[in-house]
Amino acid sequence: DAGVIQSPRHEVTEMGQEVTLRCKPISGHNSLFWYRQTMMRGLELLIYFNNNVPIDDSGMPEDRFSAKMPNASFSTLKIQPSEPRDSAVYFCASSSRTIYFGEGSWLTVV
Amino acid sequence: AQSVTQLDSHVSVSEGTPVLLRCNYSSSYSPSLFWYVQHPNKGLQLLLKYTSAATLVKGINGFEAEFKKSETSFHLTKPSAHMSDAAEYFCVVSDGVTNAGKSTFGDGTTLTVKP
Repeated sequence: DAGVIQSPRHEVTEMGQEVTLRCKPISGHNSLFWYRQTMMRGLELLIYFNNNVPIDDSGMPEDRFSAKMPNASFSTLKIQPSEPRDSAVYFCASSSRTIYFGEGSWLTVV
Repeated sequence: AQSVTQLDSHVSVSEGTPVLLRCNYSSSYSPSLFWYVQHPNKGLQLLLKYTSAATLVKGINGFEAEFKKSETSFHLTKPSAHMSDAAEYFCVVSDGVTNAGKSTFGDGTTLTVKP
């Protein structure tokens, strides 16, 4: 199994630009999670989907953040406009009964 | 409702000595419990999981954990630490009612291994 696949692995962008992070979950998993990790705040759950439907987005920090899951094999997390405080590692994870993480997308907003 | 508490934010051991990372949980249901490891600049990797089978669970890299319902604990142990074990470790509880549901992560324990 290829595991959870995230892209890009690293991105540096200027403040105000749109950022789109992508995720391909493990085939057969019907839950998908987006997490953000920073030194200051640790690991935070942003949103999770079950069967492609957003179940809990209470962790999404503000309206600049949006997530979609148009089908069972693809999800995006979009930040528009990006700000320096969005710099973090963003993890996508998927599960049936056990959560498996991708390698993360390292985002730097300058 | 569910919660998880990792009792130590930092643990330091010498190479070759035992490792103990402590985790207490609370859950309204029969929980599933997990330990993940995160090495620097890497993603989280599943170490082991308990899902109501044997209470002593063996994982990768020589780690194991014991589910103790009476103590609501799921401590992670390893008999002999290796330098490569230096990482951050997360204890996770899930109600398991709806797939992984909204699993709850502990704040993490940073393990330092001294030569």
